Amino acid sequence: ETGVTQSPTHLIKTRGQQVTLRCSSQSGHNTVSWYQQALGQGPQFIFQYYREEENGRGNFPPRFSGLQFPNYSSELNVNALELDDSALYLCASSLASGSQVSYNEQFFGPGTRLTVL
Amino acid sequence: ILNVEQSPQSLHVQEGDSTNFTCSFPSSNFYALHWYRWETAKSPEALFVMTLNGDEKKKGRISATLNTKEGYSYLYIKGSQPEDSATYLCAFCGVDYGQNFVFGPGTRLSVLP
Repeated sequence: ETGVTQSPTHLIKTRGQQVTLRCSSQSGHNTVSWYQQALGQGPQFIFQYYREEENGRGNFPPRFSGLQFPNYSSELNVNALELDDSALYLCASSLASGSQVSYNEQFFGPGTRLTVL
Repeated sequence: ILNVEQSPQSLHVQEGDSTNFTCSFPSSNFYALHWYRWETAKSPEALFVMTLNGDEKKKGRISATLNTKEGYSYLYIKGSQPEDSATYLCAFCGVDYGQNFVFGPGTRLSVLP
């Protein structure tokens, strides 16, 4: 069973640029959630995808967007990067039988550390 | 604004000590509470998914209880070992918040040999 993987591990961008982060779900999982973790805080929910459709969104601006592919891997895209976007970005996958996934255990990837200069 | 709090922020204990920490969350519209352990340089690891008032879950030396009426969950570690050193996070999901898991800031545990 393959775990959740994320790429790249680290990334440095400058303000105004765009970035794409990638996540491969654990084998058999159909749901992916993305989180932003700033230093000293708990992870903050960005959005979730269930069977290729957005299934919930946190308090993040539209320049944070995502995709889920038929193989259930996912991308997080951030446009017009700001200094405050510097953070660890985590994805988590789970297996849900319906769109309400809160009861299901999430499996996290190791994260992508994004630095915006 | 939904607040999930954890206390203490950090904790240092000696090997063999038992310890516990608290996660506080809104008592209304509860749906689920998750506990995670996050070791440095690793991925967060799910410990428990708790859904019913009065739930008690156990995994080895770690156990957790849930009180949805008063809005708290306790995580207990019996006979702490150095390998228990990690940040312990709770994540709350409420009926009114869809799929939005709200994480607490975590409790950082250091177990000294």
